[in-house]
Amino acid sequence: DARVTQTPRHKVTEMGQEVTMRCQPILGHNTVFWYRQTMMQGLELLAYFRNRAPLDDSGMPKDRFSAEMPDATLATLKIQPSEPRDSAVYFCASGPDQLYTGELFFGEGSRLTVL
Amino acid sequence: AQTVTQSQPEMSVQEAETVTLSCTYDTSESDYYLFWYKQPPSRQMILVIRQEAYKQQNATENRFSVNFQKAAKSFSLKISDSQLGDAAMYFCAYRSAFGNEKLTFGTGTRLTIIP
Repeated sequence: DARVTQTPRHKVTEMGQEVTMRCQPILGHNTVFWYRQTMMQGLELLAYFRNRAPLDDSGMPKDRFSAEMPDATLATLKIQPSEPRDSAVYFCASGPDQLYTGELFFGEGSRLTVL
Repeated sequence: AQTVTQSQPEMSVQEAETVTLSCTYDTSESDYYLFWYKQPPSRQMILVIRQEAYKQQNATENRFSVNFQKAAKSFSLKISDSQLGDAAMYFCAYRSAFGNEKLTFGTGTRLTIIP
C-alpha cells in the first residue's frame, strides 16, 4: 500500500535547537510539497519541488527554514534555530506527474512543539 | 491568487441525516481541480472527492456528492446517511490545472455527528 512516510511523528524541542523533518514520497511521484498547519493560519504551503528542483518556497521563512531533496526518495525540512512560533503540524505530500488527476497524497504529519 | 473560503467553522448533524458543507473560491482560471479532504483526529489528510472544472457532471463517491456551480464558483459537499466515522475537519481545496501544482486550502469545517 503506497503511502507518504514522515518522521518524526512527534518532536518536542527547546527554543534555539535545530529540527529536521524527513519525508519519503510515494515511489514514482515527482512533485513534493511541505505544508504547515496551525490553528491560526490553517494549512500553508512552505515549499514545493518538482523532479527534486525547488519551484516555490515563497511561503517559507528564509532566515531559519530550509527545504531540500537530496534524492528522489527523501525530502527534508530543517528549522535552525527553532522558535516557539514554529510549533505546528508539518505535512509532506506528493503527487504524480499526471495533471489530469490533480490529487495530492499526504503523510501523517510531524507535530512539532518548541518550548 | 486563488482563494478558498469555507464560511462554516462548525457544523453538526444527527446520525443518518444529511449535511451540506459550503465552499466558495475565487479564480480567474478556466481549468482547475477542486477537492474535499477529510482530517479525522488522527490528523491524516484523506481525499474524499474531487471535481474537474471542465466536467459539468457533479462528482459522487458513495455517500458523498458535490454540487459544483462553476459560474457561481461554489463547490459544496453533501454527506448522506451521516455516520459516526464522518466526524472530522473537512477542507475544501483548489488546484490549478496548469503551472503551480500546489493545493490552496480553505480554513476548514469541523463536522460533529450526533448519535
